[in-house]
Amino acid sequence: EPEVTQTPSHQVTQMGQEVILRCVPISNHLYFYWYRQILGQKVEFLVSFYNNEISEKSEIFDDQFSVERPDGSNFTLKIRSTKLEDSAMYFCASSYPGVSTDTQYFGPGTRLTVL
Amino acid sequence: GENVEQHPSTLSVQEGDSAVIKCTYSDSASNYFPWYKQELGKRPQLIIDIRSNVGEKKDQRIAVTLNKTAKHFSLHITETQPEDSAVYFCAATLFDRGSTLGRLYFGRGTQLTVWP
Repeated sequence: EPEVTQTPSHQVTQMGQEVILRCVPISNHLYFYWYRQILGQKVEFLVSFYNNEISEKSEIFDDQFSVERPDGSNFTLKIRSTKLEDSAMYFCASSYPGVSTDTQYFGPGTRLTVL
Repeated sequence: GENVEQHPSTLSVQEGDSAVIKCTYSDSASNYFPWYKQELGKRPQLIIDIRSNVGEKKDQRIAVTLNKTAKHFSLHITETQPEDSAVYFCAATLFDRGSTLGRLYFGRGTQLTVWP
């Protein structure tokens, strides 16, 4: 069964550095998402993406964040200048909306640690 | 925006017993309610979902009920097994292909432990 994949599984970076988190959605999916989960807190929506543009973004997704689909398979989340509070598990998800189900399939996550 | 509350935060049951996890939501426009199971170190996996035009849905030992009037939905697991032990998340969203792709609003999660 196809799965969403994410790399790396764990990223450690210094505050102020740029990081790029990578995702490969399921190949025939059309809608892409990023979520994050700070330890002990809820999973929070960051952004949704369709047809090469952002569909919706949350208040968390400020100018430090950007997303890109550089080719037909990858979907990336860039954080330009990381802060301590960006430390979290980042999940990518994708979906192929059908007639009656719009399941979002999640990747295994990237644990980002900002020191 | 939507706000989803989930209870309890932890739940321990004996193998074979039933488990019930409850969620409430605030936005009456929400129309899609998935439940995800997350085992330690693994990805969240959808186990069941329900749309607002249905009151109940069942899949083997798992069922979900939705009360739109009260704005709450529940996950029921019968004949629990040790492999059911995981964190369970409820979520709610409005999915309207014309205007929104359905950002999921999650509950805080319930750690279910099933003792053999």
